[in-house]
Amino acid sequence: DGGITQSPKYLFRKEGQNVTLSCEQNLNHDAMYWYRQDPGQGLRLIYYSQIVNDFQKGDIAEGYSVSREKKESFPLTVTSAQKNPTAFYLCASTLDSSDGYTFGSGTRLTVV
Amino acid sequence: AQTVTQSQPEMSVQEAETVTLSCTYDTSESNYYLFWYKQPPSRQMILVIRQEAYKQQNATENRFSVNFQKAAKSFSLKISDSQLGDTAMYFCAFHSILGAGGTSYGKLTFGQGTILTVHP
Repeated sequence: DGGITQSPKYLFRKEGQNVTLSCEQNLNHDAMYWYRQDPGQGLRLIYYSQIVNDFQKGDIAEGYSVSREKKESFPLTVTSAQKNPTAFYLCASTLDSSDGYTFGSGTRLTVV
Repeated sequence: AQTVTQSQPEMSVQEAETVTLSCTYDTSESNYYLFWYKQPPSRQMILVIRQEAYKQQNATENRFSVNFQKAAKSFSLKISDSQLGDTAMYFCAFHSILGAGGTSYGKLTFGQGTILTVHP
């Protein structure tokens, strides 16, 4: 079945460490997105990519980095520069964003 | 920049009754798309309904319908015959176009969400 797979489901990181969240899709979608979800703030856009080898910063890109080397994959790295990384991270993809997104099941990142 | 506001942090409704969730947005665009997403306790985001701004007719999907008031920039979601499985957080979202590539090149801006609890 086609879909988006995010892994791992839960992730723990020590302060000062970088960590990479995986997002893979087999929907043949061109566009992929990373959102961060915090209580009371809805979803905020971190990075997005419309095509391979191209990506743009969203509204809260500081402390994050991404790559888009393959159409199917859009990993997100949370760097040590991100001051408050504990959150729920959602990856999404779409063929035409006016139709809405397909979302992954999310990764819960906790800094310990 | 577009903003989306959901003024009701929490709502509750009895099973089989009707509930309306509010959403307002701010934009200078004339053509856009609006969405309602549902996030149940599993945290999987599910598309509930979609509205095209240039269409006068309100979108309907089974028990879910919207009241789209373009001049007032309002986009409320009505859930009829509420079921226990409707318990979730609901997000309103606005689609804005990012470039010259037509409607396929855009992003979604989300509201803060409304937690809906359906009581038996």
